[in-house]
Amino acid sequence: AQSVAQPEDQVNVAEGNPLTVKCTYSVSGNPYLFWYVQYPNRGLQFLLKYITGDNLVKGSYGFEAEFNKSQTSFHLKKPSALVSDSALYFCAVRDKKGSNYQLIWGAGTKLIIKP
Amino acid sequence: GAVVSQHPSRVICKSGTSVKIECRSLDFQATTMFWYRQFPKQSLMLMATSNEGSKATYEQGVEKDKFLINHASLTLSTLTVTSAHPEDSSFYICSARGPGQPASNQPQHFGDGTRLSIL
Repeated sequence: AQSVAQPEDQVNVAEGNPLTVKCTYSVSGNPYLFWYVQYPNRGLQFLLKYITGDNLVKGSYGFEAEFNKSQTSFHLKKPSALVSDSALYFCAVRDKKGSNYQLIWGAGTKLIIKP
Repeated sequence: GAVVSQHPSRVICKSGTSVKIECRSLDFQATTMFWYRQFPKQSLMLMATSNEGSKATYEQGVEKDKFLINHASLTLSTLTVTSAHPEDSSFYICSARGPGQPASNQPQHFGDGTRLSIL
């Protein structure tokens, strides 16, 4: 079965510093990976996805993620953090169940950017 | 593009009443929609996958008769929590798979969620 793990419950970064939110995956076959962000009392917003192609994927709000097959990782990164980046971040992997495709979600990582 | 609207955003009602939550794709047609439940400080729990024109596929442990899902058109899916009780209080979120092909590669686009409180 497909799965993703987000090993950190919370990440604290000072504003202006680079940030990394970690995600590792376990899949059979090629992975289809996604990152989403959730602000308080809101739904999730899509940031970026990896399907195939370049290992470095660029997404919304200046975020990017690096797909690393040998380390089975898909870490989310941003060169310079903003206070407004503080939110809950979810990594997900696509899974097929019967005839349906669905996302398997990580537990989420709370990102706190301190001014 | 790919905007999903969920309504209402918050519901407070008495135990025993039924509550309907609507999920609409505003600028695209959504063949597949998903309903999630999220507990405080936890990840999303998929309740069911809703395909337009067919019966929803429920995840294990989710009561079909309790959580009625209707996906009658390509832009609307509804979740009805029947005879709601305090333990049904939660944050319910819908999503729709975005347009484009292949469909299975497209990201899900989410509504803003419904905070359901049963007294």
